[in-house]
Amino acid sequence: DIQMTQSPSSLSASVGDRVTITCRASQGIRNDLGWYQQKPGKAPKRLIYAASSLQSGVPSRFSGSGSGTEFTLTISSLQPEDFATYYCLQHNSYPPYTFGQGTKLEIK
Amino acid sequence: EVQLVESGGGLVQPGGSLRLSCAASGFTFSSYEMNWVRQAPGKGLEWVSYISSSGSTIYYADSVKGRFTISRDNAKNSLYLQMNSLRAEDTAVYYCARVSSYGSFDYWGQGTLVTVSS
Repeated sequence: DIQMTQSPSSLSASVGDRVTITCRASQGIRNDLGWYQQKPGKAPKRLIYAASSLQSGVPSRFSGSGSGTEFTLTISSLQPEDFATYYCLQHNSYPPYTFGQGTKLEIK
Repeated sequence: EVQLVESGGGLVQPGGSLRLSCAASGFTFSSYEMNWVRQAPGKGLEWVSYISSSGSTIYYADSVKGRFTISRDNAKNSLYLQMNSLRAEDTAVYYCARVSSYGSFDYWGQGTLVTVSS
């Protein structure tokens, strides 16, 4: 099984900050990775697909990069609505699909 | 507009059974692979089960294998999860999720809560 190690598990930041979240895969997964945002009581929402493609309707302050085993999600200038939990998902080798453990982004 | 609406959750005793449904609309359901994903209270996302567009290929997480059964009815635009021999650790919000052409999950339902408790 492919393990996805996401870091940090939590992060405090201020509005306007630039934030980076990382996912590392236990083996190469090409660019078969998506990033999701989840707010309390809501379903996950896809932000990025194919590691670096922005989902339609998602603000351009979100970006993804990486290939192989290391991936990053960057928020260039945090907005109040961005405080949420973020997950990566690998779909290169399944079963099982595997998610990262999540990163809770909190207001400093 | 793509919509996925889960139903069937509730409170069930350990060892009991429950059948979840996911009603799909706004897209050609029969053309898409589907999954169930769950989230225990205060925890992360866990993939549960996958079914191909025709229903011919099915996968399960080890944690539910032999107890859960995924199925679909393309004529009714519906996805199902039959859950038997339920355990306390199956308590979670269960989401259905569509697989996009890029392979990740693009649309999710709002979730249905399953609570396993005596």
